[in-house]
Amino acid sequence: DAGITQSPRHKVTETGTPVTLRCHQTENHRYMYWYRQDPGHGLRLIHYSYGVKDTDKGEVSDGYSVSRSKTEDFLLTLESATSSQTSVYFCAISPFGTTNEKLFFGSGTQLSVL
Amino acid sequence: TQLLEQSPQFLSIQEGENLTVYCNSSSVFSSLQWYRQEPGEGPVLLVTVVTGGEVKKLKRLTFQFGDARKDSSLHITAAQPGDTGLYLCAGPDTQGGSEKLVFGKGTKLTVNP
Repeated sequence: DAGITQSPRHKVTETGTPVTLRCHQTENHRYMYWYRQDPGHGLRLIHYSYGVKDTDKGEVSDGYSVSRSKTEDFLLTLESATSSQTSVYFCAISPFGTTNEKLFFGSGTQLSVL
Repeated sequence: TQLLEQSPQFLSIQEGENLTVYCNSSSVFSSLQWYRQEPGEGPVLLVTVVTGGEVKKLKRLTFQFGDARKDSSLHITAAQPGDTGLYLCAGPDTQGGSEKLVFGKGTKLTVNP
C-alpha cells in the first residue's frame, strides 16, 4: 500500500471556523490531489499540486485553499467552514500525473460542519 | 470538463449472478481507469484500459474499452459478497492541458449471500 496518511480521520466543527486537513506521503511522489466525495456528485477535484509551492485549482475550489511547502505534505484549508463543505475528503498522490497513471488514495477524512 | 456517466447507479444481486456496469462519455478518452472503493476507504485501482477495443481480465472481472474510446464496461462473473463496493470509472481530462483525472459518480454494487 502507498504510504499516504490523512489527518484527522474525523472532524466535527462549527460554521465559520477555520479547518485544516493534512495529507502526508512517504512515496516522494510529485503530484498530490484533494478530492471531495458527496452522494450524487461522486469524486470532485478541489485543488492539486504538481510540485513544492506549485498548485492549481480543480472544479470545486471556491472556499478552499492549499499549501505545499514540502514534497511530503499537502494541506487543505477551509478558511471559514460552511455546512455545504460537510463531506468526505480524500487525498491522492501520483508519480507522473494522471495521464495513464493511477492515483493512490488515502483513507479519507469525514468532515461535518454544524 | 469531460464527463463520465455510469450506470446503473445502484445494483443489488445475489451471489453467483453475473452483472455488467457501464461507463459512457460523449468525449474521447486516451485511457480509462476502473477503481473499487470499499466503505470507509479510498478508491483502489483495478485496471487501466488504453487501446480502443481492449479487453482485460482480472480473475472474474472483465473490462472492455470501446472501439471509439468513449465508453467502457465492467463485467463480473459469478459475483461474490467480496465484490460489494462502489465501482468508479475515471479518465484524464485533457481539456486545458492540465493533469486532472475526472471520475464518474459510480455504481454501488451489493452482492447478497
